[in-house]
Amino acid sequence: DAKTTQPNSMESNEEEPVHLPCNHSTISGTDYIHWYRQLPSQGPEYVIHGLTSNVNNRMASLAIAEDRKSSTLILHRATLRDAAVYYCILRNAGNNRKLIWGLGTSLAVNP
Amino acid sequence: EAGVAQSPRYKIIEKRQSVAFWCNPISGHATLYWYQQILGQGPKLLIQFQNNGVVDDSQLPKDRFSAERLKGVDSTLKIQPAKLEDSAVYLCASSLYGDRVSSAFFGQGTRLTVV
Repeated sequence: DAKTTQPNSMESNEEEPVHLPCNHSTISGTDYIHWYRQLPSQGPEYVIHGLTSNVNNRMASLAIAEDRKSSTLILHRATLRDAAVYYCILRNAGNNRKLIWGLGTSLAVNP
Repeated sequence: EAGVAQSPRYKIIEKRQSVAFWCNPISGHATLYWYQQILGQGPKLLIQFQNNGVVDDSQLPKDRFSAERLKGVDSTLKIQPAKLEDSAVYLCASSLYGDRVSSAFFGQGTRLTVV
């Protein structure tokens, strides 16, 4: 199973953009890149996913490198509520559709 | 739309006792997952169901853990007997069947403490 590498922690100021990087150098052609976040004492929450093209939704944007070996989750204006652990996950689009979770990036947002 | 429901929210038991967790997925979601999340780590998949059939249980400690999904809806996860290292949050998630890239929706989890 392809793995992802993320920084252990990052810090941002409120209302500033945040760029959360993820490396996945062994990604296969059928792996989708998913991002989830987990607020304290909550279950993980879906943020965004993509395959090759950049994606935007109401929560965030996902920028995917041309070779697909890395991606960046972009929070355009961080709020205190965005403080969470962010997981970058590769999801096999084959039969088992398994999500393989790493340790994630703990994001702190300063007021 | 109602989310994934789990109960109980918290459970404290002594080692060697038994415990069961319950999960009700989002209506219409055929795929159901049970994850174990130890403090400071990402979730680890224990078992995945497609309707009431098991798709993947390769990381389920079958000597003490069991899970079932009757009628392809609700699911229960049981630990018997519990060990100290089973202390963790047990998360249930569900996703749509047939949609190969759909996101998984998680419940709030059950925090188990084994003393």
